[in-house]
Amino acid sequence: ETGVTQTPRHLVMGMTNKKSLKCEQHLGHNAMYWYKQSAKKPLELMFVYNFKEQTENNSVPSRFSPECPNSSHLFLHLHTLQPEDSALYLCASSPRLAHPEQYFGPGTRLTVT
Amino acid sequence: AQSVTQPDIHITVSEGASLELRCNYSYGATPYLFWYVQSPGQGLQLLLKYFSGDTLVQGIKGFEAEFKRSQSSFNLRKPSVHWSDAAEYFCAVGRGGADGLTFGKGTHLIIQP
Repeated sequence: ETGVTQTPRHLVMGMTNKKSLKCEQHLGHNAMYWYKQSAKKPLELMFVYNFKEQTENNSVPSRFSPECPNSSHLFLHLHTLQPEDSALYLCASSPRLAHPEQYFGPGTRLTVT
Repeated sequence: AQSVTQPDIHITVSEGASLELRCNYSYGATPYLFWYVQSPGQGLQLLLKYFSGDTLVQGIKGFEAEFKRSQSSFNLRKPSVHWSDAAEYFCAVGRGGADGLTFGKGTHLIIQP
């Protein structure tokens, strides 16, 4: 595998479920990001990790819980979501936090029923 | 706060015709600028970037963009579009760091045969 991979590619979950999204980057990068892409809205930055340490949380509701066990892996744990959380969730990485060029994964299409 | 405006939500171009997608930004310092493309069901692919130097930058797939500081613009151009160019195009601005990238809402490009 090369680049940034995300699993699953599609996820349907009820509001009471707990699920996790996984992101893996094979680029040797040290910074990783979660973005939310909703219809007709710009991409929203959710979380930023640098060398496994969270550096930014853009007022994201606590029903979204990120985890970064190492510089190559990033998870987004989901619980008690709302229908308005349905969106495409994109993971990205960059060589380091100060480097602005980001490489994106294919995304996970999440539907909350 | 930084912002990116893509004034055209949809653009329709005939195959073989030239293309220009507009992007205007607001940023407190000299920005780094990016154009990404997103095909249906896919993540974002970097087309080109501007960091400094020559204000006309070349990217992949025959795209180019010109940075005009006086107009706060970074318009994307292609001299002759192909049907495979149909996609969503995003302009983004950032300088690295915990703020990530700020994206525009995107322009949906439709190619007519």
